Amino acid sequence: ETGVTQTPRHLVMGMTNKKSLKCEQHLGHNAMYWYKQSAKKPLELMFVYNFKEQTENNSVPSRFSPECPNSSHLFLHLHTLQPEDSALYLCASSRKGLRANTGELFFGEGSRLTVL
Amino acid sequence: AQSVTQLDSHVSVSEGTPVLLRCNYSSSYSPSLFWYVQHPNKGLQLLLKYTSAATLVKGINGFEAEFKKSETSFHLTKPSAHMSDAAEYFCVVSEDNFNKFYFGSGTKLNVKP
Repeated sequence: ETGVTQTPRHLVMGMTNKKSLKCEQHLGHNAMYWYKQSAKKPLELMFVYNFKEQTENNSVPSRFSPECPNSSHLFLHLHTLQPEDSALYLCASSRKGLRANTGELFFGEGSRLTVL
Repeated sequence: AQSVTQLDSHVSVSEGTPVLLRCNYSSSYSPSLFWYVQHPNKGLQLLLKYTSAATLVKGINGFEAEFKKSETSFHLTKPSAHMSDAAEYFCVVSEDNFNKFYFGSGTKLNVKP
């Protein structure tokens, strides 16, 4: 138990569906991240939120839409995805100080997404 | 620019024998370095971290790593492998006071009975 909970753990969706991934952290952290992990590819950073504000969008297609309503919750809204978007989506959190993060990333167990 | 190179994509050892997973990095700053482990269909779990204190870092499950600045290396070792150590291991470098994290491409460890 890392203190970062992701739901659902598994999701199968068609290309025309709209779904959302949810991440919740119970660690008192104030920075949250979405990563994409595809087979045989390095871990890819997608989005970073610090104190609820998006500070990084790593050229992610607009069919992925993040939302961070507060420092404990992070969503990834999905619509009109492609089969190549099938991957493990990992949420992480860390503690951010006034000017910098102060420690390591804590990961959730991931949401395994399959796009048909 | 930061980069992390894990020199072996796959390592296979017999149970009870030593484990060595290699990691080299490039950094313009004094880096912080981490090793994470990922079991199948799980998230990444922190094994150990180096943040400019002792260069020999001990982690969970008997793993340790040594920061060697002159060699820009942070290799992960364990004296005796267990079957439960079979997983994928990621070396991670952080710069800019943990504002950026750079991941290696991972090393899959196979442990044979």
